[in-house]
Amino acid sequence: GQSLEQPSEVTAVEGAIVQINCTYQTSGFYGLSWYQQHDGGAPTFLSYNALDGLEETGRFSSFLSRSDSYGYLLLQELQMKDSASYFCAVPNQAGTALIFGKGTTLSVSS
Amino acid sequence: ETGVTQTPRHLVMGMTNKKSLKCEQHLGHNAMYWYKQSAKKPLELMFVYNFKEQTENNSVPSRFSPECPNSSHLFLHLHTLQPEDSALYLCASSQRDNSGANVLTFGAGSRLTVL
Repeated sequence: GQSLEQPSEVTAVEGAIVQINCTYQTSGFYGLSWYQQHDGGAPTFLSYNALDGLEETGRFSSFLSRSDSYGYLLLQELQMKDSASYFCAVPNQAGTALIFGKGTTLSVSS
Repeated sequence: ETGVTQTPRHLVMGMTNKKSLKCEQHLGHNAMYWYKQSAKKPLELMFVYNFKEQTENNSVPSRFSPECPNSSHLFLHLHTLQPEDSALYLCASSQRDNSGANVLTFGAGSRLTVL
């Protein structure tokens, strides 16, 4: 079967750097995605890694190591508005949809 | 209207009621999805439609019945639900291609409470 593991909660202060890890088990692999969901809002796409290495998009970066079945989301220069839940996701076995982890709730304080 | 629109945003129903959730996407995507989000099992895949054909039913009870009349509209018909079905029901769409990335655009969700 498929499964994704990520920490349930992370706390940090404004201006800090935080890393949210994700380990996955899947048969076949077609990339690791990250989504952000603010309380009461819809999940929104952040990043996608198909190959090993770091992808940078502004303050957010995402890393993938396919040999370790591991990835992380790195958030720099944290702001209060970054307080949200962050989900990692991989394609399902049929490749028709995404399977999500249970999410990591990030709380940023001043 | 842009993006993915879901109605109603909130719904309260009794266990014997029949109701429907509606989703409409204005993005020209070819795939649509229903996900269930609850505290116990966040973002649980329910149904997948590709070019309005159902390609996946993720072992969902028959009291949930999806309908996709065209590639822009998706419904979730609800009947004889249980209190444990109370959750946020999220619709999403994407443009499936061979690039590998399957970027989902979600609607704001329909918050369902079953009494």
